[in-house]
Amino acid sequence: AQSVSQHNHHVILSEAASLELGCNYSYGGTVNLFWYVQYPGQHLQLLLKYFSGDPLVKGIKGFEAEFIKSKFSFNLRKPSVQWSDTAEYFCAVTSYNNNDMRFGAGTRLTVKP
Amino acid sequence: DTAVSQTPKYLVTQMGNDKSIKCEQNLGHDTMYWYKQDSKKFLKIMFSYNNKELIINETVPNRFSPKSPDKAHLNLHINSLELGDSAVYFCASSQGVSGNTIYFGEGSWLTVV
Repeated sequence: AQSVSQHNHHVILSEAASLELGCNYSYGGTVNLFWYVQYPGQHLQLLLKYFSGDPLVKGIKGFEAEFIKSKFSFNLRKPSVQWSDTAEYFCAVTSYNNNDMRFGAGTRLTVKP
Repeated sequence: DTAVSQTPKYLVTQMGNDKSIKCEQNLGHDTMYWYKQDSKKFLKIMFSYNNKELIINETVPNRFSPKSPDKAHLNLHINSLELGDSAVYFCASSQGVSGNTIYFGEGSWLTVV
């Protein structure tokens, strides 16, 4: 089965700083990749997803992620974070032929005003 | 309208009790899931149903029994609750079993005392 690792447990940034959250997956076949965000006390919301095509994926709220197949990576980026981006971010992967979604351990992002 | 709705949102109960969490989705999806998020925010799939048939059954104590009366509902019944069952339980749904986005409910916070 596939697995996901997120390198950063807790990231603290000041407003307007640039963000990059690391995500690597382990799976030998074709995968679908996702980033979800969980605001404090809320449910998971989809930020962006990659199924095929352009490896640079743009999502909501100014987030983007780049799929680098050779590195098994799908890092999340945002050029300028806001205080409202404070949340938990989860990378997730499914194989192309099933929806058995595996999540990384999550990265808590704290943005200081 | 809430796409994936769960009830109750908060549940505090004593050890040894039996409790149920209900989930309904109005997205017309044919696949539903239960995920568990522990105190460290780690998300793990528990069950998945496609057209009322169980397709994913992770290593979960048999005190947990999902029931899907129809495609739009997937309820989770837990017998003989233990302290370690305290977690947030997320219901989710998708169309098909592969290659589609999974939509999450708002979570049910279960506390066992």
